[in-house]
Amino acid sequence: DAGVIQSPRHEVTEMGQEVTLRCKPISGHDYLFWYRQTMMRGLELLIYFNNNVPIDDSGMPEDRFSAKMPNASFSTLKIQPSEPRDSAVYFCASSLRIRETQYFGPGTRLLVL
Amino acid sequence: GQQVMQIPQYQHVQEGEDFTTYCNSSTTLSNIQWYKQRPGGHPVFLIQLVKSGEVKKQKRLTFQFGEAKKNSSLHITATQTTDVGTYFCANSNSGYALNFGKGTSLLVTP
Repeated sequence: DAGVIQSPRHEVTEMGQEVTLRCKPISGHDYLFWYRQTMMRGLELLIYFNNNVPIDDSGMPEDRFSAKMPNASFSTLKIQPSEPRDSAVYFCASSLRIRETQYFGPGTRLLVL
Repeated sequence: GQQVMQIPQYQHVQEGEDFTTYCNSSTTLSNIQWYKQRPGGHPVFLIQLVKSGEVKKQKRLTFQFGEAKKNSSLHITATQTTDVGTYFCANSNSGYALNFGKGTSLLVTP
């Protein structure tokens, strides 16, 4: 298996632009997680899905952030409009079950100017 | 999930020295997972501890889960430069996603 796949790996955009991050979880994993990592706040859980259904989005910072999982093999995290404080590394992870090992993707390094 | 606190936040050692990071909680934890993140990389699962007083070893790494299941530790014997990175503990109670600590960043100089 190729592991969790994320794209793009790097993204540089200007404030106000829409940003879409993509994730392909490991096949057969029922759970998909989106995280944001910054020096100040560490690794924060934004939202997670079970069988394509959003279960907990309490970590989504504000309405500018949205996430979807249209099928078992694809998820997106969208920021619209983006702001400089959104600059961070965004990780997608997947697992078989809620409390089991999470497998992280390589991350998307986002810089909003 | 419950908040876990990790100490120290940073540790700088000379190659060959030992290193320990601690993960503490004010309440009982059902399990603890440990992850390692290399600089510029992503978190990678190391191990899971479930039982009270459990001790597991992976080569030079020793993981412990406290008797009261409120703390855990990761000890590295004779550090190497390949040990550089950030070590996270994470826990999850029933029905909740993993809750990650802030991590301990380890720097090893030759």
